[in-house]
Amino acid sequence: RKEVEQDPGPFNVPEGATVAFNCTYSNSASQSFFWYRQDCRKEPKLLMSVYSSGNEDGRFTAQLNRASQYISLLIRDSKLSDSATYLCVVASGSARQLTFGSGTQLTVLP
Amino acid sequence: GAVVSQHPSRVICKSGTSVKIECRSLDFQATTMFWYRQFPKKSLMLMATSNEGSKATYEQGVEKDKFLINHASLTLSTLTVTSAHPEDSSFYICSARTGGGDGYTFGSGTRLTVV
Repeated sequence: RKEVEQDPGPFNVPEGATVAFNCTYSNSASQSFFWYRQDCRKEPKLLMSVYSSGNEDGRFTAQLNRASQYISLLIRDSKLSDSATYLCVVASGSARQLTFGSGTQLTVLP
Repeated sequence: GAVVSQHPSRVICKSGTSVKIECRSLDFQATTMFWYRQFPKKSLMLMATSNEGSKATYEQGVEKDKFLINHASLTLSTLTVTSAHPEDSSFYICSARTGGGDGYTFGSGTRLTVV
């Protein structure tokens, strides 16, 4: 079983659509959770951290369910510029190493 | 904000040669640096955790004699791919924790092609 699992997609949605990504992780001792986005042939960039209380940043809402070991990301009113690969990332261990999911590819169509 | 400078951004080398990739933290001290590898259409896989002044910790399946990591100062970590082969062609990225919390800064990556 992979440590961090995501639906690889691809998700092709029209502009303005709402899209949701899901992720599960296997290490119950994981400490921190994130969503990163990665554009083609670039380094990943932090989109947002994820907290149990849920957090929102503009059109993006992230949620963590520690009991189910489940993380979600909701993108509302999607823009063309949201097209990217979205990586579910979990930090664990004494060095807080990041473990990346395989990513979910999103393409927002005009 | 914190910046990690990674060089080179792109390198093409012949089979059997060695390639060194550098990551420098420009405005902070990076006690720990992480090295990742990413194959096309795959996610980042942690190769090793580099600690300043001590030996790196390698993930299972990563050959420490092939991927030499040196972290001699708080601002510089290097990864040397020795005796490179075409299957080593990949995107290599470094990352450092910034501050005591959950901030991580990534280098811009090195695209290695071994011919």
